[in-house]
Amino acid sequence: AQTVTQSQPEMSVQEAETVTLSCTYDTSESDYYLFWYKQPPSRQMILVIRQEAYKQQNATENRFSVNFQKAAKSFSLKISDSQLGDAAMYFCAYRSLGGSARQLTFGSGTQLTVLP
Amino acid sequence: NAGVTQTPKFRILKIGQSMTLQCTQDMNHNYMYWYRQDPGMGLKLIYYSVGAGITDKGEVPNGYNVSRSTTEDFPLRLELAAPSQTSVYFCASSWGQSNEKLFFGSGTQLSVL
Repeated sequence: AQTVTQSQPEMSVQEAETVTLSCTYDTSESDYYLFWYKQPPSRQMILVIRQEAYKQQNATENRFSVNFQKAAKSFSLKISDSQLGDAAMYFCAYRSLGGSARQLTFGSGTQLTVLP
Repeated sequence: NAGVTQTPKFRILKIGQSMTLQCTQDMNHNYMYWYRQDPGMGLKLIYYSVGAGITDKGEVPNGYNVSRSTTEDFPLRLELAAPSQTSVYFCASSWGQSNEKLFFGSGTQLSVL
């Protein structure tokens, strides 16, 4: 079974600065998908960014980008020009291509605080 | 557009009581999921369904039951509630492609006292 580890329970960043959230995962599969979800205080889960394992190019979405290191099984999220609205719990998630469930396997989350 | 709708948003149960958490999606998604989120933990899969009439267990199914009589609805039943079931419950749906995102409901905060 796949496991996802987020070793930083809490992080803080100054507004307009850059912060990187870490994620590592364990899998024996060669193809899979990785996701970062944001959960603000409203509890609504919001997709931030996704990465296909077969793509070497790191995904980017505006101020959000990832550093995907397949050999190291690492998938970190970089938030540039941090804004107060970025404050939330961030979850890293893994999704296998195989299996009937196609479910997401989540890490334990990183609580990000943005300081004004 | 409604997306995934969960009811209720909050509920307090006494030990041994039963209840049903409702989940409805209006996107014609085949796949539906129930997750629970404990404090300081990630979401864990309880049950899932790949289509009407088809359900299967996830990682933590004990104490729960589900049914999927229609594409739209995927209720989660708690029988004989226990304090260990105190959690936030999320329903989610998708078409089932591996690269697509899951659409989540806003969650149900359940306390069993």
